[in-house]
Amino acid sequence: EPEVTQTPSHQVTQMGQEVILRCVPISNHLYFYWYRQILGQKVEFLVSFYNNEISEKSEIFDDQFSVERPDGSNFTLKIRSTKLEDSAMYFCASSTRGVEPQHFGDGTRLSIL
Amino acid sequence: QQQVKQSPQSLIVQKGGISIINCAYENTAFDYFPWYQQFPGKGPALLIAIRPDVSEKKEGRFTISFNKSAKQFSLHIMDSQPGDSATYFCAASINYKLSFGAGTTVTVRA
Repeated sequence: EPEVTQTPSHQVTQMGQEVILRCVPISNHLYFYWYRQILGQKVEFLVSFYNNEISEKSEIFDDQFSVERPDGSNFTLKIRSTKLEDSAMYFCASSTRGVEPQHFGDGTRLSIL
Repeated sequence: QQQVKQSPQSLIVQKGGISIINCAYENTAFDYFPWYQQFPGKGPALLIAIRPDVSEKKEGRFTISFNKSAKQFSLHIMDSQPGDSATYFCAASINYKLSFGAGTTVTVRA
């Protein structure tokens, strides 16, 4: 069964550094998403992306965050200057048409020191 | 604003028993209600989903009950098995984004 793959599985970064999280969505999917889950809390929506532009973003997704689809297979999340509170599990998801259903990767655990 | 409230936070059920997880939502514009199952170290995996024009959906041992007027929906896991031990999230969707509940950790005792 096709799946969403995320790399790396764990990223450790110094506060203030830039980090790029990578995702390879399912090949025929057209909608892409990033979510995050702070330890012990609920999964939170960050951003949705379709047709090479952001469809919707949450208040969490401020100017420090950006997304890009640099080629036909990758979808990336960049955090420009990381803060301690950015430490979380980041999940990429993709879907064929709008919302239903979204398929999630296994996440990247981001640890900011 | 907590758009989707989920309860209980955790539950323990005996093998063969029924697990019931409840969710309530606030925004009547939500139009898709999925349930996700998550095992440690893994991402959420879609379990079953329902649209608000249907009151019940069953897939194998998993059933969603949906009450539009009460703005509530629930997941029933029949004949619970040890392999069902996981965290379950309800969610509600509008405009390409999912709002998740806080999650329920289900432990099935053999």
